[in-house]
Amino acid sequence: GDSVTQMEGPVTLSEEAFLTINCTYTATGYPSLFWYVQYPGEGLQLLLKATKADDKGSNKGFEATYRKETTSFHLEKGSVQVSDSAVYFCALEPGNTGKLIFGQGTTLQVKP
Amino acid sequence: NAGVTQTPKFRVLKTGQSMTLLCAQDMNHEYMYWYRQDPGMGLRLIHYSVGEGTTAKGEVPDGYNVSRLKKQNFLLGLESAAPSQTSVYFCASSSGQLRSGNTIYFGEGSWLTVV
Repeated sequence: GDSVTQMEGPVTLSEEAFLTINCTYTATGYPSLFWYVQYPGEGLQLLLKATKADDKGSNKGFEATYRKETTSFHLEKGSVQVSDSAVYFCALEPGNTGKLIFGQGTTLQVKP
Repeated sequence: NAGVTQTPKFRVLKTGQSMTLLCAQDMNHEYMYWYRQDPGMGLRLIHYSVGEGTTAKGEVPDGYNVSRLKKQNFLLGLESAAPSQTSVYFCASSSGQLRSGNTIYFGEGSWLTVV
């Protein structure tokens, strides 16, 4: 079945460091891909998305490119801040189902 | 700014007890979902609904029931709680398929402990 695999955390970085969180997926057809962020004690918020191959989603300095050939959607940010500390989830929508399948989440901690 | 509201936020149950989690959304969304979040496992879909009066099973439906009698509400029931149902439960809603540009909005979560 469809699935999402993320790199294991936690990821600990110093402020202004470069961030990459790896995400790969298995899906039939052409899923839409998403990154969600969860701050402590809160629900999930959409960070960015891409709905077809080679699309690049971007928001708040974060970027991810839908790579069909490598079935990947890695999240990147050029310079992280302490306020980016959160749990990041990669997810896919199989077909046009309206449902999400999530990866296990990656905790990011940014130190001053 | 309500959005998606879950009640209760915290609950401790004894094994075998029953309870209902209530989710309410004020965005006139057709789709509603219940997910559970467990450490190291991300969020997994329990049940979902694509409209008033309809429900469907997700990835992990066993031990749960749901009802969508009103468009704005989606209830998740545990008939006989088990320790394996200790988790954080998230309700969510959307206008429809996400590829079409719709966004899923999540509630703040309900922490349930079964002892």
